[in-house]
Amino acid sequence: SQTIHQWPATLVQPVGSPLSLECTVEGTSNPNLYWYRQAAGRGLQLLFYSVGIGQISSEVPQNLSASRPQDRQFILSSKKLLLSDSGFYLCASSTDSNYNEQFFGPGTRLTVL
Amino acid sequence: KNQVEQSPQSLIILEGKNCTLQCNYTVSPFSNLRWYKQDTGRGPVSLTIMTFSENTKSNGRYTATLDADTKQSSLHITASQLSDSASYICVVMGGADGLTFGKGTHLIIQP
Repeated sequence: SQTIHQWPATLVQPVGSPLSLECTVEGTSNPNLYWYRQAAGRGLQLLFYSVGIGQISSEVPQNLSASRPQDRQFILSSKKLLLSDSGFYLCASSTDSNYNEQFFGPGTRLTVL
Repeated sequence: KNQVEQSPQSLIILEGKNCTLQCNYTVSPFSNLRWYKQDTGRGPVSLTIMTFSENTKSNGRYTATLDADTKQSSLHITASQLSDSASYICVVMGGADGLTFGKGTHLIIQP
């Protein structure tokens, strides 16, 4: 099975500062990769997904961007954080199997002050 | 619009008791339905995945059912343990949205 690594685990950043969250995947090749945000009391919101190196699709307009510089590396970034960017960020990976089962990373708790 | 509704929103039961969580969906066309367990501050972990032809599927003390006609699923937890305290998320794959997530049921097991 796949193993998803995310870091940092927690992050506290001031408004207007930049952001870089990293996700790496082990145990598979050519995965589909996803960034989700989970706000308190709400379901997971898909932010970006990628089907390959350099291929990024954005699901919602926002202050964030994503990049995939390597097959098993997915990065979430922002040039200037907003208070509303606070949340729990999850990276997920899947392969093109019958189930397209997603494996989730441990998440990053971001607090913007 | 594709939607996944879960109930109850939260649930508190005593250790050793059974409980059932509900998931209703409007996703169409339907591909599969997953139940995830998410411990506080951690990423979701898959419990079961069911396709259209599967009515029930078990994973240890967890048993999921699916009624594709009524578009309902349930997750039954038997002989609950303290470690079952978590959020349980129902996710449906299908339709134009790909994956539609429920907001989850927050389950607390009390000793």
